[in-house]
Amino acid sequence: GQQVMQIPQYQHVQEGEDFTTYCNSSTTLSNIQWYKQRPGGHPVFLIQLVKSGEVKKQKRLTFQFGEAKKNSSLHITATQTTDVGTYFCAGGRGGKLIFGQGTELSVKP
Amino acid sequence: DAGVIQSPRHEVTEMGQEVTLRCKPISGHDYLFWYRQTMMRGLELLIYFNNNVPIDDSGMPEDRFSAKMPNASFSTLKIQPSEPRDSAVYFCASSLMGQGYYNSPLHFGNGTRLTVT
Repeated sequence: GQQVMQIPQYQHVQEGEDFTTYCNSSTTLSNIQWYKQRPGGHPVFLIQLVKSGEVKKQKRLTFQFGEAKKNSSLHITATQTTDVGTYFCAGGRGGKLIFGQGTELSVKP
Repeated sequence: DAGVIQSPRHEVTEMGQEVTLRCKPISGHDYLFWYRQTMMRGLELLIYFNNNVPIDDSGMPEDRFSAKMPNASFSTLKIQPSEPRDSAVYFCASSLMGQGYYNSPLHFGNGTRLTVT
């Protein structure tokens, strides 16, 4: 079936270090969305990418959509303790949104 | 601007009991989704509605699960009878358009944490 793989599953960083999570699909996606879920909270929409090769930035967060529209990445520069949580990618295909398993980020102050 | 509202926040019940989870989507959103989140399986789509009509229930685990949307502002997810393996966080989400379409992010509720003993 359709799958969206996300790696790594966990990432522990020291505050100030960078962080990247990767998302891969076996099939071409119409778009990709990214969500953040704080511990004990609910997923919150961050951004959507639609175009091949698209790059978007939100302050310290940089989102990329691959040229083949099969992969995506989220990069956080100089992590802060407020970045703690689980980051999910969700690939759109055939009118459905398929969520990756998420990358749990912990930040040590 | 009220978001998606779910109730209850926590539900503890005994095996075999009926459980009903409730959701009020954001006004004006035509799509409503029920998700289940567990450590093992992540976020799973159970069912979704468009204009109150169930469109895809292929994610519903078994006949013990049922969902209804009697009107645009209310939906329920019922489990009868409940089993310990149903323990999870259940999220309701709504969106303007269908999943995966441009400019149609999902707005999640706070979730219901269900524990079946």
